[in-house]
Amino acid sequence: DQQVKQNSPSLSVQEGRISILNCDYTNSMFDYFLWYKKYPAEGPTFLISISSIKDKNEDGRFTVFLNKSAKHLSLHIVPSQPGDSAVYFCAASQRANDMRFGAGTRLTVKP
Amino acid sequence: SQTIHQWPATLVQPVGSPLSLECTVEGTSNPNLYWYRQAAGRGLQLLFYSVGIGQISSEVPQNLSASRPQDRQFILSSKKLLLSDSGFYLCAWRRQGASETQYFGPGTRLLVL
Repeated sequence: DQQVKQNSPSLSVQEGRISILNCDYTNSMFDYFLWYKKYPAEGPTFLISISSIKDKNEDGRFTVFLNKSAKHLSLHIVPSQPGDSAVYFCAASQRANDMRFGAGTRLTVKP
Repeated sequence: SQTIHQWPATLVQPVGSPLSLECTVEGTSNPNLYWYRQAAGRGLQLLFYSVGIGQISSEVPQNLSASRPQDRQFILSSKKLLLSDSGFYLCAWRRQGASETQYFGPGTRLLVL
């Protein structure tokens, strides 16, 4: 079952603009959420996380927003850079050792 | 700092042949270790995890198995590969008792022909 969904397989934005990647989940017991970035033929790299007690976490150009009532998570990248072009995975966890991943969104940032 | 290694990076194997993928972690002790598979166009599927030497939990029944012979070594095996075993295999680690963030290795691309 797909407990974590990324409904947009791809997203294209212009350099300097905002990129917004979305993620929905179905399990209300999830209490920790993460975003990973993945380049082809490489392992995912941890980007940013948020626990369910917060609704926003910011790290430089990256901000993650959590809307628990809507079971929705989003990642904002401002400003977007060509080097941000990658596949972004959303992940959620309700207990240690049980992390569920979305199918990923391919972000392309055009110069 | 911690480093996670996987090898081989790429592997092409015939159907029915055995498999052994290795993962090692440096710079930490007693990590939680994980094996994931990413099939083409899909998300990451958790296959196995381990909280200590000799302790393996299986998430998905299949013809794969995992072993943890040493604290920082995690091995993924199969006695007979199937075509459907093709994919990108990722090892990850997490510091026990810390946040739930997992850190991934570079991955092994397996093609079963």
